[in-house]
Amino acid sequence: GQNIDQPTEMTATEGAIVQINCTYQTSGFNGLFWYQQHAGEAPTFLSYNVLDGLEEKGRFSSFLSRSKGYSYLLLKELQMKDSASYLCAVMDSNYQLIWGAGTKLIIKP
Amino acid sequence: IAGITQAPTSQILAAGRRMTLRCTQDMRHNAMYWYRQDLGLGLRLIHYSNTAGTTGKGEVPDGYSVSRANTDDFPLTLASAVPSQTSVYFCASSDSEGGGTDTQYFGPGTRLTVL
Repeated sequence: GQNIDQPTEMTATEGAIVQINCTYQTSGFNGLFWYQQHAGEAPTFLSYNVLDGLEEKGRFSSFLSRSKGYSYLLLKELQMKDSASYLCAVMDSNYQLIWGAGTKLIIKP
Repeated sequence: IAGITQAPTSQILAAGRRMTLRCTQDMRHNAMYWYRQDLGLGLRLIHYSNTAGTTGKGEVPDGYSVSRANTDDFPLTLASAVPSQTSVYFCASSDSEGGGTDTQYFGPGTRLTVL
């Protein structure tokens, strides 16, 4: 079966760095997405990786290793507004997104 | 409007009733999707449409139906609601036709409670 694993919850301090991991097993691979979802709101797109390596976008970076079925989202200089759930999703061979359950990130002052 | 709108924002429904959740996008995206989101689970695809006039079944289609008469609208119908359909429903769209990897953009969601 298809499976996306990510930690349920993480806590970090304002101004620090946090890494959210995601491992996947899917039928085919057409890219990996990270979304941010604030409580009670819709998911919003953060990043897309289809090739191995690091993609940097401001305070956020996303890494992919296809051979290991592994990705991480790195958030730097954490701000209180970064408190949210972070969703990992993989596009399978049918071009459908398979979603992880999300990682709830709690930022403490 | 800009983006995707959904209606209603929330609804409490008696079991056995019929309900249609509305979704409209103004981005002229080809593909549209319906997901449900339940606590502790990832988003699960209910139905999708790669282009106007076509629809397909996702991971959890039972008890739901969709139609795609035009590019902008993609309503989701629950023919006879059951309590297990209590969930938050998200509509999404992307500028692809099922063979691309374009980003999906989400509407604000509909919170549905079936009693």
